[in-house]
Amino acid sequence: ETGVTQTPRHLVMGMTNKKSLKCEQHLGHNAMYWYKQSAKKPLELMFVYNFKEQTENNSVPSRFSPECPNSSHLFLHLHTLQPEDSALYLCASSQDDGYGNEKLFFGSGTQLSVL
Amino acid sequence: DQQVKQNSPSLSVQEGRISILNCDYTNSMFDYFLWYKKYPAEGPTFLISISSIKDKNEDGRFTVFLNKSAKHLSLHIVPSQPGDSAVYFCAASITGNQFYFGTGTSLTVIP
Repeated sequence: ETGVTQTPRHLVMGMTNKKSLKCEQHLGHNAMYWYKQSAKKPLELMFVYNFKEQTENNSVPSRFSPECPNSSHLFLHLHTLQPEDSALYLCASSQDDGYGNEKLFFGSGTQLSVL
Repeated sequence: DQQVKQNSPSLSVQEGRISILNCDYTNSMFDYFLWYKKYPAEGPTFLISISSIKDKNEDGRFTVFLNKSAKHLSLHIVPSQPGDSAVYFCAASITGNQFYFGTGTSLTVIP
């Protein structure tokens, strides 16, 4: 496999459920991200991990809990979500190109519906 | 407040003609700009980028222009092809891994 792989592709959950989103990158990158894409809104950064350490938490509610066991894997644990959390959740990875610039490489996303 | 704006939600262009997608930003500290392309049910894919030290970068049919004084960048696709039909996002970053995205422009190339 190559690139950034996300599972599941689709997820429907009730507000009392607990589920996890999984992301794996095969690019050897040092940074991994969770983004949220809602309709007609810009991509919203949720979390950033650099070398397994969380370096950014963009005021995300505690019902979203990230986990980064190593630089290739990233999880997003979900519990007691609200219907407004329904969105496309995108994982990405990146690496410095040696000039201080980074490019994001995205997975296909998990389309989440909260009922 | 949104720091990167794409004011045209959609654009239709005839096949073979030029597509011009626009993006404006407000933060003069941004020093790296990227364009991503997104098909339905897929994640965004990197298309082309430009550093703030340049005003133009070209890659095949795709050219990005940067006007720092106007805080404006544009993506030119020429000639446009039906396979270019997708949503295009511009993004900006200050050196490092903080990216700010626009809301996207949906391009339709009509055969």
